[in-house]
Amino acid sequence: DAKTTQPPSMDCAEGRAANLPCNHSTISGNEYVYWYRQIHSQGPQYIIHGLKNNETNEMASLIITEDRKSSTLILPHATLRDTAVYYCIVRVGRAGGTSYGKLTFGQGTILTVHP
Amino acid sequence: EAGVTQSPTHLIKTRGQQATLRCSPISGHTSVYWYQQALGLGLQFLLWYDEGEERNRGNFPPRFSGRQFPNYSSELNVNALELEDSALYLCASSGTNRDRGPGAFFGQGTRLTVV
Repeated sequence: DAKTTQPPSMDCAEGRAANLPCNHSTISGNEYVYWYRQIHSQGPQYIIHGLKNNETNEMASLIITEDRKSSTLILPHATLRDTAVYYCIVRVGRAGGTSYGKLTFGQGTILTVHP
Repeated sequence: EAGVTQSPTHLIKTRGQQATLRCSPISGHTSVYWYQQALGLGLQFLLWYDEGEERNRGNFPPRFSGRQFPNYSSELNVNALELEDSALYLCASSGTNRDRGPGAFFGQGTRLTVV
């Protein structure tokens, strides 16, 4: 799986948009970008994923650059409950064989939302 | 619908003993994934089971083993426990839904403490 680079920490004011960047310059054509978050001592929570198009769901938006070498997760109106470690991961699709089931987590970005 | 459930929530063992951790996937899911998260570290991929077979294995010694039962539940066994095995062990499951992939649903983990 391609390596990702994220800032170690970010701050955001409650109610403002949180924009979390991720660099994945070595991503391959068959690799997806996934975002998860982990609130202290809980299991990771899936947020969103995409291949090359921008995506939006009830939790967040994912903006992937045209060359796919970086992406940004956007939490449009951050709340205190969004304080967590956010992980950006790239991984192969089902055609990737045994590599499909392995997620390689980095250190992530600690997002702190303050009042 | 019940999520991924893990048991026990907490487990305390002494060095040299064996630990058995259990995971029940979401109903209908056939794949189970195991991860280790040591204190202050990221999640490390351990094992992936699909349809009763081991599909992929992370860089862990052979004393980490597991299996998947016909009902798709899974066990993770850690033999000859060492102090550094103390960690949060997380299980995830997925089905054939191609949209979310292997990390869509995580359990809350088993906190293993080796003393």
